[in-house]
Amino acid sequence: DIVMSQSPLSLSVTPGEPASISCRSSQSLLQSNGHNYLDWYLQKPGQSPQLLIYLGSNRASGVPDRFSGSGSGTDFTLKISRVEAEDVGLYYCMQTLQNPVFGGGTKVEIK
Amino acid sequence: QVQLVQSGAEVKKPGASVKISCKASGFSFTSYYFHWVRQAPGQGLEWMGLLNPSSGTTSFALNFQGRLTMTREASTTTVYMELSSLTSDDTAVYFCVRGGLWFRDLKGLFEFWGQGTQVTVSS
Repeated sequence: DIVMSQSPLSLSVTPGEPASISCRSSQSLLQSNGHNYLDWYLQKPGQSPQLLIYLGSNRASGVPDRFSGSGSGTDFTLKISRVEAEDVGLYYCMQTLQNPVFGGGTKVEIK
Repeated sequence: QVQLVQSGAEVKKPGASVKISCKASGFSFTSYYFHWVRQAPGQGLEWMGLLNPSSGTTSFALNFQGRLTMTREASTTTVYMELSSLTSDDTAVYFCVRGGLWFRDLKGLFEFWGQGTQVTVSS
């Protein structure tokens, strides 16, 4: 099975400042079609998770453009250009090259 | 609009089985993968398995093989997840999720989630 690792475990951010979360996979998620099979999700407190980014860098419908996904192969990053109070929660990466596996999660809180 | 409505909370004794339903609406039922994901108290998300509703084919995480069943009923656009031989470690919220188009082999793209079903295993 592919193993997913996220860092940091938690992040405290001042509103308006940027934030960055790293995700690494134990094997390449890049397919010959050029797609990286990695998604990003946010689970706000008390809610079901929501899709932020799919196939490495594609924002899901309705996701603000302050969220962006980048990376290829085994190293990926989710960036929030200017954190807002509503962005608090648990962020997860998930590989979908094989049967899905989630990363351990990153907790984002506001300073 | 796309909706996934799950059945209500369950309390089970160790060794029992639980079956949760997920009623889907607002999209082509047979075109998308369905997944089940669970979250134990204070823990992260754990993928359990997927179902191709067109063929009925399933695939499960190693942790659940042998005690997880996923089925569907196209006439009512409902999918079911049954987990047997329950232990206290199975106490969690269970989510039904619509994945991507199965004929494009998009196993991810978890765009729509059910509201979650709390399963408590206690003697």
